[in-house]
Amino acid sequence: DVKVTQSSRYLVKRTGEKVFLECVQDMDHENMFWYRQDPGLGLRLIYFSYDVKMKEKGDIPEGYSVSREKKERFSLILESASTNQTSMYLCASSDATRGGLFFGEGSRLTVL
Amino acid sequence: AQSVTQLDSQVPVFEEAPVELRCNYSSSVSVYLFWYVQYPNQGLQLLLKYLSGSTLVESINGFEAEFNKSQTSFHLRKPSVHISDTAEYFCAVRTGTASKLTFGTGTRLQVTL
Repeated sequence: DVKVTQSSRYLVKRTGEKVFLECVQDMDHENMFWYRQDPGLGLRLIYFSYDVKMKEKGDIPEGYSVSREKKERFSLILESASTNQTSMYLCASSDATRGGLFFGEGSRLTVL
Repeated sequence: AQSVTQLDSQVPVFEEAPVELRCNYSSSVSVYLFWYVQYPNQGLQLLLKYLSGSTLVESINGFEAEFNKSQTSFHLRKPSVHISDTAEYFCAVRTGTASKLTFGTGTRLQVTL
């Protein structure tokens, strides 16, 4: 069974803290994505990567950075967390075909 | 740039009744269309997709969607819903050679007895 694993299901952090969200996929997919999900706004793309060490900005990259040192791992970094980054973060991966994305279970981040 | 509109944020329906969740997209190029389902406290699961060929696509649990190019729509339907279909449903579009998906804002389907 294909699997996208997000390291933390729930996190609580304080304003100004550095936050790492980790995502690992076991499908040898080229593409990996980070979305955030907010009520009434659906899913919005933060960053994506189509190869190791490659990254591209999505629709809302401000306040975030990413790292992809290995094909299977894609990390989302909040350099200095703020309360407006309280959200559900979803990682996904896909291969190079036209098919859809495979999602992890999500990481719910609360910034106090 | 493409966009996706899901007109209904919530759809209440009684069990065994039919349902339609609406999705419209805007894009000037060829599209690939998807419906995802999200159960409480879970990630998104692919429900069905249109890539090419027959405009009517079906899922294993009785949902179907029809790609209508002239109406730029990809509405999701089920003739008889079950309590277990209660979830949030997201429509998404992928265009040309792009790898990313653009999602709608979601429709919460609430099935009651």
